[in-house]
Amino acid sequence: QSVLTQPPSVSAAPGQKITISCSGSSSNIGNNYVSWYQQLPGTAPKLLIYDNNKRPSGIPDRFSGSKSGTSATLGITGLQTGDEADYYCGTWDSSLSDVVFGGGTKLTVL
Amino acid sequence: QVQLQESGPGLVKPSETLSLTCAVSGYSISSGYYWGWIRQPPGKGLEWIGSIYHSGSTYYNPSLKSRVTISVDAPKNQFSLKLSSVTAADTAVYYCARTVGGATDAFDIWGQGTMVTVSS
Repeated sequence: QSVLTQPPSVSAAPGQKITISCSGSSSNIGNNYVSWYQQLPGTAPKLLIYDNNKRPSGIPDRFSGSKSGTSATLGITGLQTGDEADYYCGTWDSSLSDVVFGGGTKLTVL
Repeated sequence: QVQLQESGPGLVKPSETLSLTCAVSGYSISSGYYWGWIRQPPGKGLEWIGSIYHSGSTYYNPSLKSRVTISVDAPKNQFSLKLSSVTAADTAVYYCARTVGGATDAFDIWGQGTMVTVSS
């Protein structure tokens, strides 16, 4: 069981917008920065969002991150077939002294 | 640009020690950042193993701490992972990565990963 809870899957049509939730607690999301990763099939994870809502250089503004209380959300607009991937949230857990990840969400672009 | 490349045996026997190295190019480890190891069992999610600073300061996953050693070789610009007493549960793709800053920060640059199978 992952410390952070994500929906197993989401789906939407090309051009649409989706959000992926990541639920935690005060020891992790509530008091630490959240990051989001995209993992295309057979490849290494790629950082999309760090420090809750910052995008690394080269990440399009179609990807956004937000945090409220003990939950975080990844948003993707203008969905493309190339966005089909697994998405993971991650953060530091102060009680566990551990970097923790969500179980991952599989995005299908229909 | 900064690149990371994992290397090491793809097959390790149960009870033995898994050893991997991450070679860094395009950036000097001694210049800063924390450097970490993350693994992913087949078909499963990500698990952080630990991170190290060029000074040797380390942070480990508490559930693996008793079996893990991460070290840095600044002159060779590489860092290494040793995981002892492995079992089939340690079968995974192992990634090395760089954090955006501190030990608990996000990982912004990743190696391609290397598959390690634990089997006799």
